[in-house]
Amino acid sequence: NAGVTQTPKFQVLKTGQSMTLQCAQDMNHEYMSWYRQDPGMGLRLIHYSVGAGITDQGEVPNGYNVSRSTTEDFPLRLLSAAPSQTSVYFCASSPQWGRSDTQYFGPGTRLTVL
Amino acid sequence: EDQVTQSPEALRLQEGESSSLNCSYTVSGLRGLFWYRQDPGKGPEFLFTLYSAGEEKEKERLKATLTKKESFLHITAPKPEDSATYLCAVQQSGGSYIPTFGRGTSLIVHP
Repeated sequence: NAGVTQTPKFQVLKTGQSMTLQCAQDMNHEYMSWYRQDPGMGLRLIHYSVGAGITDQGEVPNGYNVSRSTTEDFPLRLLSAAPSQTSVYFCASSPQWGRSDTQYFGPGTRLTVL
Repeated sequence: EDQVTQSPEALRLQEGESSSLNCSYTVSGLRGLFWYRQDPGKGPEFLFTLYSAGEEKEKERLKATLTKKESFLHITAPKPEDSATYLCAVQQSGGSYIPTFGRGTSLIVHP
């Protein structure tokens, strides 16, 4: 099993550009989520999904869109990148919603918005 | 106001020098408290879950304990490979299950 994979590992964007961060898991987990991690702050939840076709907002959803068409994939879209979105983004998956003890994180995507 | 506060922010130890990391929380009802380890450039890795005051969990040189207001991660005779950032997160009972993470403690163990 590859676990949770994320692409790309690094990305530089200009303000206003759009892009999609990819996340995939091969553990047949129902729950997937996106976090951002900023210096001096804890991980903050952006969006999450409790199953294919179901998504909901976390603490900091503004500026991000998600969709979940399959169990395996949970892409995060930035429609118009802003410097405030410079961060490290982590995708995570879990067998079920609410079970943080079994949450598996991907390796992260480091995004810089100029 | 932070609901989860970790201290110290950074800790330097000599190999074999035991110490403790603290995670204090202010949520009204605790569903669970979680400890993760995060190595540089990697995603967090789950260590422990604690659900009720008095509970303890152990793994190798690490031992996590929980009271009604805080959790401690005790590191006994640490080795350089224990160097990492340790994250604490809490889930509030009756809520949306969204975990609140602390800012982490960066631990460096010198040989």
